Formats: sequence, structure tokens, C-alpha cells
Amino acid sequence: EAGVTQFPSHSVIEKGQTVTLRCDPISGHDNLYWYRRVMGKEIKFLLHFVKESKQDESGMPNNRFLAERTGGTYSTLKVQPAELEDSGVYFCASSQLQGYEQYFGPGTRLTVT
Amino acid sequence: AQKVTQAQTEISVVEKEDVTLDCVYETRDTTYYLFWYKQPPSGELVFLIRRNSFDEQNEISGRYSWNFQKSTSSFNFTITASQVVDSAVYFCALSEAEYNNAGNMLTFGGGTRLMVKP
Repeated sequence: EAGVTQFPSHSVIEKGQTVTLRCDPISGHDNLYWYRRVMGKEIKFLLHFVKESKQDESGMPNNRFLAERTGGTYSTLKVQPAELEDSGVYFCASSQLQGYEQYFGPGTRLTVT
Repeated sequence: AQKVTQAQTEISVVEKEDVTLDCVYETRDTTYYLFWYKQPPSGELVFLIRRNSFDEQNEISGRYSWNFQKSTSSFNFTITASQVVDSAVYFCALSEAEYNNAGNMLTFGGGTRLMVKP
């Protein structure tokens, strides 16, 4: 069974540009989460989907971030326009049931210059 | 609000030594879940264990063992006879129960970097 996959693995963009990150969860996992770790800080929750619905987006930093999960399968996280402080590693995770273990993807390292 | 503290930012041991990684948490919920994840140099987060707040039994899995003590709000992780392949960053995390409408998000500690030298 394939694990959580994320694309791209690395992205380097200039301030003001747009970047879209993609996450493919484990097949059959209704719960999908986005987290990020900015330099020197802890891994922080961004948002949680149950199927195609946003269950909790309390961690989204501002309206430059837009997450979608069309059809309840893969998810995208768009940053527009990117700022320097958005640099970090963005992780996606999925779980079969809420409260159970979340399986993480390898992360996307975003560098904004 | 929930919080996880891993006071040890970095630990260095020599192969075959035992090592304990500390994790202390704060939560107002009575029902919650605790987790440990391993992040090897390749970068992905690998799930190691999940423990619910009603199960204080210690767990052993091979060279790994976990000690959960509600009285001290701790969930410590011990590696026995460490090996070089254990070198990684280890994260402790907490998730509050869904009925408290907390969304089941994970709150992570800052991580402990373990270096096992041959």
C-alpha cells in the first residue's frame, strides 16, 4: 500500500510568487492534515479535512494560504503571494479515523527568496 | 490549551548505550492521545506509537519502550542498546479527543535530536 506522497519535494520561489503544494493521502483515509515547520520552530498544525470538507482550519496563518480537497482525494495548498516567512517544510498527513495515528508524507521544503 | 515540551534538544550517546527521551505535556482534557514519531535524515515522520489517556500500561516493542505517567504528565521513550540507525529527531505529540471539538490535530514538542555514535 502506497504511503502519503507530496509534490514537489522542494520548491524555491521568489517573494510575491505563487506556489501550489500537493498531497496524496493513503487510499481510503478520509482525514487529511497539513502541518508546517518553519526554521527553528515546532511543527504546527494548519488545517484538517474530513473528505472534502474543512473540519478545522484554525492553524492557517492568513488569507494568503488556500487549501482544497476536491472530491475528497488529493489536497492542494496554495500560497499566494508567498512571503519570506513562509519558508519551511510543509507536511501532509492522513488517518483513517480521527484521533488515530496520522501517517505523514516526506514533506515539501519551500524556500522563498 | 495543549502543550508538549521536550526539554532535551540534543542527545549524543555511544552505540549500545540506553537512552531516554523525555516528553512532558499539558492538557485540560481528560481524554487525549499521545504519540511518538521518528524523523530520520531522509525527512519523513515515521509513526512509532499511540497511547490513549486511559491506558497507563507501559509498552515495549523490541528495543523501544514507553513509560506513560499521568501523575507527572510524562510520556518518556527509552531506546535500549542504541544503534547508529536510531540516529534521528524524535517528536512527541499530543491530540485532544474529538468530543472536545479540538479537531484531533497534533500538537508537537520541539523534538530531540539523537545522535548515536559507533
